[in-house]
Amino acid sequence: GEQVEQRPPHLSVREGDSAVITCTYTDPNSYYFFWYKQEPGASLQLLMKVFSSTEINEGQGFTVLLNKKDKRLSLNLTAAHPGDSAAYFCAVTPSSGSWQLIFGSGTQLTVMP
Amino acid sequence: EAAVTQSPRSKVAVTGGKVTLSCHQTNNHDYMYWYRQDTGHGLRLIHYSYVADSTEKGDIPDGYKASRPSQENFSLILELASLSQTAVYFCASSPPVSGNTLYFGEGSRLIVV
Repeated sequence: GEQVEQRPPHLSVREGDSAVITCTYTDPNSYYFFWYKQEPGASLQLLMKVFSSTEINEGQGFTVLLNKKDKRLSLNLTAAHPGDSAAYFCAVTPSSGSWQLIFGSGTQLTVMP
Repeated sequence: EAAVTQSPRSKVAVTGGKVTLSCHQTNNHDYMYWYRQDTGHGLRLIHYSYVADSTEKGDIPDGYKASRPSQENFSLILELASLSQTAVYFCASSPPVSGNTLYFGEGSRLIVV
């Protein structure tokens, strides 16, 4: 079945620096990709949803890149600030089930002032 | 107003005891899920349901039962709690659309002693 590997497990950056989190997946026919953010003690909140194509999506202060050729999904937080400190999870919808999400193991991001 | 609510938010249970985690959603979603989150790991699917009075096994169903008495309510039942079931449990709901977004509850922290 689908395997999702997320790196790095921990990431510490200075305020204003960029932070990059990457997920690789195994099912070449996966077709929906998600990034969730989890603040301490809180639930998971959707950051962005990306569809089945190579694309770049920009949100508020971050960029998501999907490279289907390399089966790679990345989240780039540009000019990180302390409020970005949280756990980030990627998730993939495999071709075997359109309802199911396979999650990466998460990245704990710390942004230092 | 929170659309997916879980109770209890925190619980300490004794080994061998019965634990019931409850989830209520007001999203009018057909699909509901129970995930488990362990420190340093992503979310793993325990049980899910796509219609009332029916539940399905996820990736790690052993030691857990689920109940979906109505569209709005979905419970996770640990008949004989064990130390290895200490974790944070998340309930989620989603519409029955391909590539759907999951909407998560606040999580229930369970400690089995």
